[in-house]
Amino acid sequence: QQQVKQSPQSLIVQKGGISIINCAYENTAFDYFPWYQQFPGKGPALLIAIRPDVSEKKEGRFTISFNKSAKQFSLHIMDSQPGDSATYFCAAQSSGAGSYQLTFGKGTKLSVIP
Amino acid sequence: ETGVTQTPRHLVMGMTNKKSLKCEQHLGHNAMYWYKQSAKKPLELMFVYNFKEQTENNSVPSRFSPECPNSSHLFLHLHTLQPEDSALYLCASSQDGGAGNQPQHFGDGTRLSIL
Repeated sequence: QQQVKQSPQSLIVQKGGISIINCAYENTAFDYFPWYQQFPGKGPALLIAIRPDVSEKKEGRFTISFNKSAKQFSLHIMDSQPGDSATYFCAAQSSGAGSYQLTFGKGTKLSVIP
Repeated sequence: ETGVTQTPRHLVMGMTNKKSLKCEQHLGHNAMYWYKQSAKKPLELMFVYNFKEQTENNSVPSRFSPECPNSSHLFLHLHTLQPEDSALYLCASSQDGGAGNQPQHFGDGTRLSIL
């Protein structure tokens, strides 16, 4: 029930295209859904996050879409650039007391080709 | 210096060695975390410290021993490790580990290789 399932495992997108990464969860107590971006040799960096009271959040070229009834959320990268090539992790957390745990997906390796 | 700093960046050790990983955060946060990152697996939370108190130990073998002398520093002491312990060890911090919806800020990790 703590799992977050992420797909695809890897993704190749042409420059200028749209990259879409999907995640699904089971635990209905999750109420905070961040996405992290990790470049080789670096730690994960928070990219964008959403709470389930909204269905979409946009920051620049990055958009999270959230479907509470389906328990799914996705990251869309518009106008993908070679500099976006990285591994992306979705995560989920419950805001209950003592909720330290971020449950991560396995990651999606994105390659944007010129 | 800002952010979360981890040293060393790379470590190669034998199974009988004892070594320590160090993490320092300059963000004024009160919670610190150790994660293990292995290929093709989700990040695994190992330990959590909130206001210097250990609040989470995710069934981590005793050959990993954390220490948190203050809210800015976190250590992971290693002894008698196994080859399967080879991984990237990431440190993270957040404002308050007892509250939900807290972004976690990660260091760049220590790449550990066990011979």
